[in-house]
Amino acid sequence: GQNIDQPTEMTATEGAIVQINCTYQTSGFNGLFWYQQHAGEAPTFLSYNVLDGLEEKGRFSSFLSRSKGYSYLLLKELQMKDSASYLCAAEDSNYQLIWGAGTKLIIKP
Amino acid sequence: IAGITQAPTSQILAAGRRMTLRCTQDMRHNAMYWYRQDLGLGLRLIHYSNTAGTTGKGEVPDGYSVSRANTDDFPLTLASAVPSQTSVYFCASSDLAGDYNEQFFGPGTRLTVL
Repeated sequence: GQNIDQPTEMTATEGAIVQINCTYQTSGFNGLFWYQQHAGEAPTFLSYNVLDGLEEKGRFSSFLSRSKGYSYLLLKELQMKDSASYLCAAEDSNYQLIWGAGTKLIIKP
Repeated sequence: IAGITQAPTSQILAAGRRMTLRCTQDMRHNAMYWYRQDLGLGLRLIHYSNTAGTTGKGEVPDGYSVSRANTDDFPLTLASAVPSQTSVYFCASSDLAGDYNEQFFGPGTRLTVL
C-alpha cells in the first residue's frame, strides 16, 4: 500500500534549527513535496525534490534519499512565524500526491 | 480573481440535504482536485480532473460527485450529506505540463453536517 510517515508534533526554540523527517512508500515515485500549513489556512508550497540530495532555499532546505524512501525538511534560524504544520507528500506513478498527516511544529521563545 | 477561490467559506448543513461546494481558478491550470482534511489524517483525495471534460475518483469518492465543464470551475456535490462528511474541504489546481506538479490550494470550506 501507499504510506507516508512523519512525526505528529515537534517543539523547538526560536533561533534554533529543526529537522522534520518523512518516510514514504508509494506505487512508483515522481517526487517529494513539502508544504506549510498555518492553522486555519490552506497549505502552501515549500519545496520539491526528485533527485537525491539537498535543495536549499533560504532558511529552508529539503533532502531526499530515493533508495531509502526518506526525506527531511530542515528549518534554520527559527522564527515564531514558523509555527505551523508541515506536510510531506510523495507523488506516485499516476501523478497523484499521497499526503502525510503533517507535523505540527511549535516554536517557543 | 487571483489564484483559486472557494465558496462558501463555511456551512452548517442538515443531514440528508444536498450541497455543492464551488471552486474557481484563474491560472488556466489543466488539473484540479478536491481534498478533505480531518484532524490527525493527511489530505485525502476525493476526486480529480486532469483536463476539462474528464474526472477521476480519488481515495475517498463515495458520497461525492464532481463535474468539469470548463477549465476554470470544478464543483463538488454532496448528494445527501451525512455527519461523517463533516470536514474541511480544499480545492487545488496544478499545471501538469509544468516542471513538477505543484498544487495551489484554495482557502477551504469548513462543512459541518448535523
